[in-house]
Amino acid sequence: NAGVTQTPKFQVLKTGQSMTLQCAQDMNHNSMYWYRQDPGMGLRLIYYSASEGTTDKGEVPNGYNVSRLNKREFSLRLESAAPSQTSVYFCASSVEARGDGYTDTQYFGPGTRLTVL
Amino acid sequence: GDSVTQMEGPVTLSEEAFLTINCTYTATGYPSLFWYVQYPGEGLQLLLKATKADDKGSNKGFEATYRKETTSFHLEKGSVQVSDSAVYFCALSRSSKSTFGDGTTLTVKP
Repeated sequence: NAGVTQTPKFQVLKTGQSMTLQCAQDMNHNSMYWYRQDPGMGLRLIYYSASEGTTDKGEVPNGYNVSRLNKREFSLRLESAAPSQTSVYFCASSVEARGDGYTDTQYFGPGTRLTVL
Repeated sequence: GDSVTQMEGPVTLSEEAFLTINCTYTATGYPSLFWYVQYPGEGLQLLLKATKADDKGSNKGFEATYRKETTSFHLEKGSVQVSDSAVYFCALSRSSKSTFGDGTTLTVKP
């Protein structure tokens, strides 16, 4: 069981370049998330997907797009990278996010460290 | 909206000292509460959780009690070790999403 895997681990981009961060989980979880972590700001939710075929904006979605390719995979795309997007990006998954508002424990990948010059 | 406020760090302790990291939250309804730990270069991993008022979560000598009357979920450990050095995040979950605190960096010196 690999858990949540992310690729790449490190990436350096120039302003205006595009790239896709990949995430996959092998725990058969319904819900998947993308966060960014910046010093002193905790984790901020970019997008999430409560189930295959659905995606919703989080706290900081501007400049990003996502695709829930299937139950296992959830990718994050930067169409035109900006220096403000320099951050560490984490993908996470959880068993379910029920209609009554309960979200179970989240399982995190190891992160992608992105630098935009 | 929902929010989580954590004790500001960094926190530096000697081995075998008592640890408290304060966490308070603002949320409507009855959120679930979590403590996650992040070791250098890694993602977050669950340390403990509590899903209803007065529940106590515990793991690896760490404990936290869900106090609805004070909207708090303080993390405690009686005797810290060097291996406990990490960043600790308090979080709540409600409405299909989680809200995280800013994290508290703990350094334990031998």
